[in-house]
Amino acid sequence: GNSVTQMEGPVTLSEEAFLTINCTYTATGYPSLFWYVQYPGEGLQLLLKATKADDKGSNKGFEATYRKETTSFHLEKGSVQVSDSAVYFCALSDHGWTGTASKLTFGTGTRLQVTL
Amino acid sequence: DGGITQSPKYLFRKEGQNVTLSCEQNLNHDAMYWYRQDPGQGLRLIYYSQIVNDFQKGDIAEGYSVSREKKESFPLTVTSAQKNPTAFYLCASSILRDDQPQHFGDGTRLSIL
Repeated sequence: GNSVTQMEGPVTLSEEAFLTINCTYTATGYPSLFWYVQYPGEGLQLLLKATKADDKGSNKGFEATYRKETTSFHLEKGSVQVSDSAVYFCALSDHGWTGTASKLTFGTGTRLQVTL
Repeated sequence: DGGITQSPKYLFRKEGQNVTLSCEQNLNHDAMYWYRQDPGQGLRLIYYSQIVNDFQKGDIAEGYSVSREKKESFPLTVTSAQKNPTAFYLCASSILRDDQPQHFGDGTRLSIL
């Protein structure tokens, strides 16, 4: 079955540091890949996505590239801010036919804490 | 603004009691989903629905039930058969394409009295 593995947290960084959160996956076919962010007490918000190999998703200074050869989708940001403190989830979507619901498989989440 | 509304935000269950969590969306999405989130774990799928009056079990459906009588609504009932119901429950919706993201509500935190 499908699976997603994320690096263990928490990750603690100083403001303006470089961020990498590793994500690797196992899936049949060609899944779509997503990063979601969860702030305390809230639901998940989509951060970025990539739907095919070599696609780069980007949003709010965050980037991730869909690497089929290494089955990875690592999240990066060049300069983190205190407001980026949250839990980040990597997820993949079944490759289904248009017209069917796609089930997401999530990693366990990585907590990021950014300090001044 | 379009979105997903979950209520209540906090819910308490007594032993032997069924409780129902509400999820409403005005995004005109066909698919809706329920996930359970436990500390230190990712989200696990409980049930999902692609169309009114139809739904499928996810990975951890035991002790839960759902209905989909309207496109906008997908309530989840946590029955007394669910022996460990304390968790954060998230509802989501999406259009019927695997390359499109799911949109999430703000969740309901269920605790046992």
